[in-house]
Amino acid sequence: AQSVSQHNHHVILSEAASLELGCNYSYGGTVNLFWYVQYPGQHLQLLLKYFSGDPLVKGIKGFEAEFIKSKFSFNLRKPSVQWSDTAEYFCAVSPTDSWGKLQFGAGTQVVVTP
Amino acid sequence: GAGVSQTPSNKVTEKGKYVELRCDPISGHTALYWYRQSLGQGPEFLIYFQGTGAADDSGLPNDRFFAVRPEGSVSTLKIQRTERGDSAVYLCASSSLAGANTGELFFGEGSRLTVL
Repeated sequence: AQSVSQHNHHVILSEAASLELGCNYSYGGTVNLFWYVQYPGQHLQLLLKYFSGDPLVKGIKGFEAEFIKSKFSFNLRKPSVQWSDTAEYFCAVSPTDSWGKLQFGAGTQVVVTP
Repeated sequence: GAGVSQTPSNKVTEKGKYVELRCDPISGHTALYWYRQSLGQGPEFLIYFQGTGAADDSGLPNDRFFAVRPEGSVSTLKIQRTERGDSAVYLCASSSLAGANTGELFFGEGSRLTVL
């Protein structure tokens, strides 16, 4: 069965700490990979994506993610978080022939304390 | 407006009633998606329109759910004989033809449906 698993449901950390959110997927065939973010009171927005090429992708606001095909993983990282990074983060995958048909993980709520 | 607009933002209804949820995508966006997000879960794909036609409705849970996009712009998600399990936030997203390269869906803020 196809699935997307996010390792942590809730993360609390202090400003300037490093953040890493785990994402593993189970999917037949080649996939596109995404991280979406939802800031408090706002709509979902794209943080970064991987379609092909360099497995280390950089997104907005200093975030990056690494696709490791052998581990079926697409972990999100940020070296030094800010209070404004408080949000819910969703990992998602889609088939390459239907890129907008996303299957999301359950999300990770990240709280950054000042 | 500049973004995806969804109405109503909140809808409370009684079990068995009929509900319509509306999505107004970003002007010029040809692709439109409906997702459903239950409490504590990520969004779940329901249906995808390319223009006026439903290109993929494999995510609709049963025949009580139906969606239309008659003129290739505004879409309406229709739920008949609502059940308590239909309570969720219904999200609409749109993308342009360039979306296949940018990989970006633009989401609305959602319509929160509560079935009592």
